[in-house]
This record gives sequence, structure tokens and C-alpha cells, in this order.
Amino acid sequence: GQQLNQSPQSMFIQEGEDVSMNCTSSSIFNTWLWYKQEPGEGPVLLIALYKAGELTSNGRLTAQFGITRKDSFLNISASIPSDVGIYFCAGPETSGSRLTFGEGTQLTVNP
Amino acid sequence: GAVVSQHPSRVICKSGTSVKIECRSLDFQATTMFWYRQFPKQSLMLMATSNEGSKATYEQGVEKDKFLINHASLTLSTLTVTSAHPEDSSFYICSARGSGDQPQHFGDGTRLSIL
Repeated sequence: GQQLNQSPQSMFIQEGEDVSMNCTSSSIFNTWLWYKQEPGEGPVLLIALYKAGELTSNGRLTAQFGITRKDSFLNISASIPSDVGIYFCAGPETSGSRLTFGEGTQLTVNP
Repeated sequence: GAVVSQHPSRVICKSGTSVKIECRSLDFQATTMFWYRQFPKQSLMLMATSNEGSKATYEQGVEKDKFLINHASLTLSTLTVTSAHPEDSSFYICSARGSGDQPQHFGDGTRLSIL
């Protein structure tokens, strides 16, 4: 099946720093989703990307859907302690509505 | 935005008990609902996909008689873990999706602990 490779696996940064994480795939995805999961909670949708090359912002978050449809990045500017959590990229499989998830990026922000 | 409510948030019970978890889409009609299981420090693992009014489709290795799924309406799906044992202890998360290209929205998860 399709796979998403997400990196880095974890990040430890100081408050105020910018963050960048990315996902790549060997196959094409028509939609790219970025979720954030905090401890003990379900993932929350941050940004949804539907067009190749699309660049979308949500507050301090910016995500882009790669032109080849095989990659995406998520940037967080001026990080704050509440940005702590696991960030997952995900995309629906072409064969149906199931989502393929990346392995997640654990973000730690030191105040 | 789309809201998915999952209940209960935490269950602690004895081995052999059956546990029912509810997943409701509060402000949209969910044509499809999904049930996931998540182990510590791992990504979400899809257990089954359910469409309203039809039988759930289970992923390989997931016992359908162990994890009973009912999707009786466009806003409610339930997962029943039958005769739960300690190895069933995990974090169970549901998600719901509307029609077309709508993304999945997740519930807050249920922490199941079997003693």
C-alpha cells in the first residue's frame, strides 16, 4: 500500500524558533492533510491541501502541497509552548477513503 | 468546524467485560466513520471502516467478532470490545467524514484499561 515518510521523527526547539517538518511519498496523493495530536486526545485537523502547489496558512502554520503531489511540508513560525504535540501528515488512499498516516513528528518547545 | 464527540474518554474495567464506545458527529452527517487504535508513541492504526446502514469493513488481523461496530445513523457509530482482556488495553479513536472530499475529523479518543 501507499506509505508516507515523515521527518524529522522528533524536534526539540526553543520558544520563538521556527519549525519545519515534511512528508514524502513514493506515490501520488490527491489530498494532503496535516493533523496535530496532543497527549490523551484525538488528532485535530490543522490544514487540508487539495491542489498541487497549493500553499495554505492557518495562523502561524503554513503548509504546501508539492507540485509532484508526492510531498508536503508544514512550517510553524515563532513557536510557543502550546505548539507541543505530535504532528501527522496524512492522505487518502486512491483505492478508497482510508487515510494513510505518516509516523508523526514529536515537537517539544522549551520556554 | 466539524465536531466529533467520543464517549467515554476513559474506561477501566475487569477482564471479561464488554465495553461500548460511542462516536457522534455533532454538526455534520458522517457517511463514513472510522475506528483506530493507537499504541504509545505510534501512529494511528486503522481497525475498521463503517458506512451508515452497512456492515463494517475490517482491516486484516482485526477480529470482527471481538470488535463489534454498529453505524446505525449518519451521526452515530459504536465500537464494542467484547470480553475485553488486558491485551485490548489501548487508546481507541474514532473519526468521521462527510461526503465527497471532506477530510476526517477525529474524536478525543477513549483510553481503555483492562485489569
